[in-house]
Parts: sequence; C-alpha cells; structure tokens
Amino acid sequence: KAGVTQTPRYLIKTRGQQVTLSCSPISGHRSVSWYQQTPGQGLQFLFEYFSETQRNKGNFPGRFSGRQFSNSRSEMNVSTLELGDSALYLCASRRITSGVSGTGELFFGEGSRLTVL
Amino acid sequence: TQLLEQSPQFLSIQEGENLTVYCNSSSVFSSLQWYRQEPGEGPVLLVTVVTGGEVKKLKRLTFQFGDARKDSSLHITAAQPGDTGLYLCAGAHTGTASKLTFGTGTRLQVTL
Repeated sequence: KAGVTQTPRYLIKTRGQQVTLSCSPISGHRSVSWYQQTPGQGLQFLFEYFSETQRNKGNFPGRFSGRQFSNSRSEMNVSTLELGDSALYLCASRRITSGVSGTGELFFGEGSRLTVL
Repeated sequence: TQLLEQSPQFLSIQEGENLTVYCNSSSVFSSLQWYRQEPGEGPVLLVTVVTGGEVKKLKRLTFQFGDARKDSSLHITAAQPGDTGLYLCAGAHTGTASKLTFGTGTRLQVTL
C-alpha cells in the first residue's frame, strides 16, 4: 500500500515569507503528526491531528500551525519565516488501535526540506 | 530541551564488529522505540519496548529497556554495511503515543 506522501519535497523561501506543506497519510490512518528535524535540535514534535482536531502540541511558536481535513490529509503552515526554520519537516501517520491516543506504529514520510534564505 | 541523550554520537566500524548504542533519560517513559533513518528518508520503526527490563531481538539487533524505564540500549552483532544509518531512540508517555521525544541520534557507518 502507498506510504505517507509529503509535498513538496524541497523548497526555498526567503525570510518573512510563509510556507504550506502537505501530508497525505496512509489510507485508514486517522492520526497525523508533524516533526521538525534539524542538525542542532534533532527531531522535535510540532503537533498531532486526529479527526480534524489538534490533539497534542509541541513547544513551537504560534507561527507554526496546522490543520487536518475530513479525508485525514493534513497541512502545516509556517508564517513569517526565519532562518532558523530551515529544516526537514516530517509527517507521520498512525492507525489508532487503542483509544484516541493509544498505541500504534508511526509511519513517517520522506519529509519536506525547507531552506530559508 | 533534549530529554534523551544517546551515546555515542558517531560510530564508524568495520563489517563484522559488534556495537552498542545507549539511550539515557532522566524521565520515565511508558514505552520506548528505536528508529533507523537513512539519508533522504524518514525514520523507520525497528522496535517498541514497553516493559521495564524487556529484551527484544530482531535478527542481529538486540534491544533492552531499563528496569526503571529511563534508559535503553541497542546492540548490533556482526554489523553489516546495510546497518549504516542514523539510529534514534524515542520515548512516549501514556496517552500520547504520537508525541515522541526523540534522542540526539547515533550515526553509524559500517565499512567493508
């Protein structure tokens, strides 16, 4: 079956611009999470969406936002880009097997690599 | 703030050697996962351990969860070039399985 699909794979923006990244989860997976990966900070949790509702949020400023659609596809948006936002943004989907936030393997996409100049 | 420290950060070994990667935390986790990430790809789950003292084996890989559920180790026997990659441990708390706290990572290179 198809894996987690993220678009675009690569993009370059300048400071002050905004960016929207898209994620299509594995069919049947209703939970979508976003992570930021940088060489200095490693992988950090941004937020999780389930049934179009944000369920968990990491420690990122309000410039980082997301949403989930009825078909479980998700988007994340970063406004007023800063140089430090340059990173690999990873999306992961999960089939909820035990309650809303129960267990279930996370499947990651290949990521969207954002470069801010 | 990184709550999971991995050691070593980098490891370059020859094929056939054994190695151990450590993942340590001051926090207790309800479960701990190990991932491997290759260049240009997202992390791929290797194993999940949930019980203190648990040991799981995946072919040449042996994973252990500390008794206090604060630390874990990954041991690879007879490493092969295909084991090359970034190894990440990640902890989860009860009720927040998608909100993983990732370790600092161990980059392993196995040469012929």
